[in-house]
Amino acid sequence: TQLLEQSPQFLSIQEGENLTVYCNSSSVFSSLQWYRQEPGEGPVLLVTVVTGGEVKKLKRLTFQFGDARKDSSLHITAAQPGDTGLYLCAGEKLVFGKGTKLTVNP
Amino acid sequence: DTEVTQTPKHLVMGMTNKKSLKCEQHMGHRAMYWYKQKAKKPPELMFVYSYEKLSINESVPSRFSPECPNSSLLNLHLHALQPEDSALYLCASSHLAHPVAGELFFGEGSRLTVL
Repeated sequence: TQLLEQSPQFLSIQEGENLTVYCNSSSVFSSLQWYRQEPGEGPVLLVTVVTGGEVKKLKRLTFQFGDARKDSSLHITAAQPGDTGLYLCAGEKLVFGKGTKLTVNP
Repeated sequence: DTEVTQTPKHLVMGMTNKKSLKCEQHMGHRAMYWYKQKAKKPPELMFVYSYEKLSINESVPSRFSPECPNSSLLNLHLHALQPEDSALYLCASSHLAHPVAGELFFGEGSRLTVL
């Protein structure tokens, strides 16, 4: 079973700050996905990373896949209230991490 | 807008009722999923259909009965549920099928309350 640990569990910051959240496992992944979920809605796919060391950018979001393909990070630059949500990582075995609940205060 | 459509968005039912949740996708995806999500928890996998056949049942109680009538539709039949079954039920689909699912596309979920 692929277990995914996400940290921090909760994060509350002010608009304009930068932040990084992490997704770690002892297992090697062939691919890893990041999702964002807003209250009462389904998760929305943000990105898929597949190559060790890969860096992908989506506007102010930067995703990195670890060289050993066991971990990943999501960095948000100049966070905005619209970034508020639950950030989930998932591997190809259909299991999600527990998520990071991000709140960006105006 | 999500391309996975779930109905109803909200459902309230008694413990003796029989109801169904429905999910539809028209992306040509060959795998479809049911997840259950309790408040402040991540989605938990319940069932996976690959090419219209049940490929994974995560030890879900028999009061939940999935059905995949065709490659675009997925149902979850509910009978004799318990109050602790109240949750957000999410349907998802993916282009790739189990065991390497890849990217999941979720519906907005059906919020179920069991009285």
